Amino acid sequence: DQQVKQNSPSLSVQEGRISILNCDYTNSMFDYFLWYKKYPAEGPTFLISISSIKDKNEDGRFTVFLNKSAKHLSLHIVPSQPGDSAVYFCAASENAGANSKLTFGKGITLSVRP
Amino acid sequence: EAGVVQSPRYKIIEKKQPVAFWCNPISGHNTLYWYLQNLGQGPELLIRYENEEAVDDSQLPKDRFSAERLKGVDSTLKIQPAELGDSAVYLCASSRGLAGAKQFFGPGTRLTVL
Repeated sequence: DQQVKQNSPSLSVQEGRISILNCDYTNSMFDYFLWYKKYPAEGPTFLISISSIKDKNEDGRFTVFLNKSAKHLSLHIVPSQPGDSAVYFCAASENAGANSKLTFGKGITLSVRP
Repeated sequence: EAGVVQSPRYKIIEKKQPVAFWCNPISGHNTLYWYLQNLGQGPELLIRYENEEAVDDSQLPKDRFSAERLKGVDSTLKIQPAELGDSAVYLCASSRGLAGAKQFFGPGTRLTVL
């Protein structure tokens, strides 16, 4: 049973436009959420995170929104750039500290067209 | 700061042969993780170490998989004997103390079992 779901396997966006990547979760114990970005033949790299006490976290072009009641989060990239083309994984944990266990979604492949 | 180092990057073996993967985490990171990533899936935790102690190995198939982190620094993951279904990318990650959810990944070892 997938506890973290990324239902859209791919997304294609024009350069300069907004990319919106969605993620849903089922485990109400999840308290901390992260987005990782992965290029081919590389390991995932941390992008941005959000605690359940917040509904928004922003870092440059990247903003993550959390809707706890809907068990839904989204990653917004504005403006999108060709270098953003990668696989994006949503991950969730029951806490942000020690003893954290990350549960990952299947990933979304983002393609940004020049 | 050097990242998580893994070797080898690629490994091709015949089924029933043994194979071992090595990981050196980021200096000062006391927590080390081994993940399995199948094609089209997100990473799935195999085992987590706090220093030299395996604190979560519930997802490790212990009939054929073993791991060690003898001095609490680098780690080895072994499969013996390998099966066709073990073909995947094996990722190592590390994190520091109370920021456990923010994990740093190595590039992974892509294993192909023929």
